[in-house]
Amino acid sequence: AAGVIQSPRHLIKEKRETATLKCYPIPRHDTVYWYQQGPGQDPQFLISFYEKMQSDKGSIPDRFSAQQFSDYHSELNMSSLELGDSALYFCASSVLTRSYEQYFGPGTRLTVT
Amino acid sequence: GNSVTQMEGPVTLSEEAFLTINCTYTATGYPSLFWYVQYPGEGLQLLLKATKADDKGSNKGFEATYRKETTSFHLEKGSVQVSDSAVYFCALNSGTYKYIFGTGTRLKVLA
Repeated sequence: AAGVIQSPRHLIKEKRETATLKCYPIPRHDTVYWYQQGPGQDPQFLISFYEKMQSDKGSIPDRFSAQQFSDYHSELNMSSLELGDSALYFCASSVLTRSYEQYFGPGTRLTVT
Repeated sequence: GNSVTQMEGPVTLSEEAFLTINCTYTATGYPSLFWYVQYPGEGLQLLLKATKADDKGSNKGFEATYRKETTSFHLEKGSVQVSDSAVYFCALNSGTYKYIFGTGTRLKVLA
């Protein structure tokens, strides 16, 4: 079965640079979620989108922005990167009516040096 | 607000031992409850879920029962294997867009 695809899987950036993470949801899933997992931490919800509209917002820094496109894929844009942004970034997808059943991608590991 | 509390790890067991990882929650309404597993260097994999009280989720020998009276969703396995070594996250979703995760419990199984 098709799963959530994230790219890139690994990314190394320097402080103050920008990064773009991509997420391709499971086919026919219309809702995308982003989570951030710091080293040794539990995943924290960042933001979600349904039908290209932001549906909920968590602890996402103002330096980050995200959007969902007409093909339902989503991109997380991160600017002015800081060392503390080093984390595993997960994307998940679901059908809106079953938002309690989210399927997670493998994650993008971002390292900021 | 909603929250999930897991027992602290790490938990170290010998192969074939019985496993229990405690999870309790606080939530308004009737949340769905989940256990996710994360193997080293990998993403989150759904292990099992329960969407209403008294439901039992099960998968790969793991089980958890949704206990509304004790607000718990403890994970159990009768006989662990070395390959079960991973971090286990309890999580809830109360009908909103986001999951609330526990802090994770690291399990190490020794041969």
